[in-house]
Amino acid sequence: TQLLEQSPQFLSIQEGENLTVYCNSSSVFSSLQWYRQEPGEGPVLLVTVVTGGEVKKLKRLTFQFGDARKDSSLHITAAQPGDTGLYLCAGAEITWNYGGSQGNLIFGKGTKLSVKP
Amino acid sequence: DSGVTQTPKHLITATGQRVTLRCSPRSGDLSVYWYQQSLDQGLQFLIQYYNGEERAKGNILERFSAQQFPDLHSELNLSSLELGDSALYFCASSGARELATTYEQYFGPGTRLTVT
Repeated sequence: TQLLEQSPQFLSIQEGENLTVYCNSSSVFSSLQWYRQEPGEGPVLLVTVVTGGEVKKLKRLTFQFGDARKDSSLHITAAQPGDTGLYLCAGAEITWNYGGSQGNLIFGKGTKLSVKP
Repeated sequence: DSGVTQTPKHLITATGQRVTLRCSPRSGDLSVYWYQQSLDQGLQFLIQYYNGEERAKGNILERFSAQQFPDLHSELNLSSLELGDSALYFCASSGARELATTYEQYFGPGTRLTVT
């Protein structure tokens, strides 16, 4: 089973600061997704990256997929209190057989971000 | 709103009891996934169903079982409950198209189970 490690585990910053969180694995994933989860609620899908080296931007959030598709980063510019939450990365683990593909997501343990006003 | 619904939102029960959690996937999604999330373990995959059939199993205890019905809703049954089963239980759904490479999942709001 592939493992995803996220760092840092916790991050507390002031409003307006920039930050980067990381998601690393020794294995290759066919795609990688980032989710944000607020306390007591379900994870919400932010973005999916598929191609090695791909960069996607979502307002102040920039997501990058490593060239070898083993790692990813999330950069937030000018963080706001509304960005507070648990950021989870998840790699798609695909197995192929004669019937088609079967997929599952492997989740990291997340980075808990707190942005103070 | 992800389109995935879960009931109940909260559940408080005693050790040794049995409970059933219910999930309705997004319209058109054939796959349902169940996850357990506790403070120290993160999001743990339990089991996946695709169009009524079990597709994949994760770290699911023998005391737990699930099924997916013809209308695609799913139920997770937890029996002989222990204090350590207290956690958030999430259901997620995906289109699970054959030959897909992304398998994006959409999560419900969760059921918070407290075993006393």
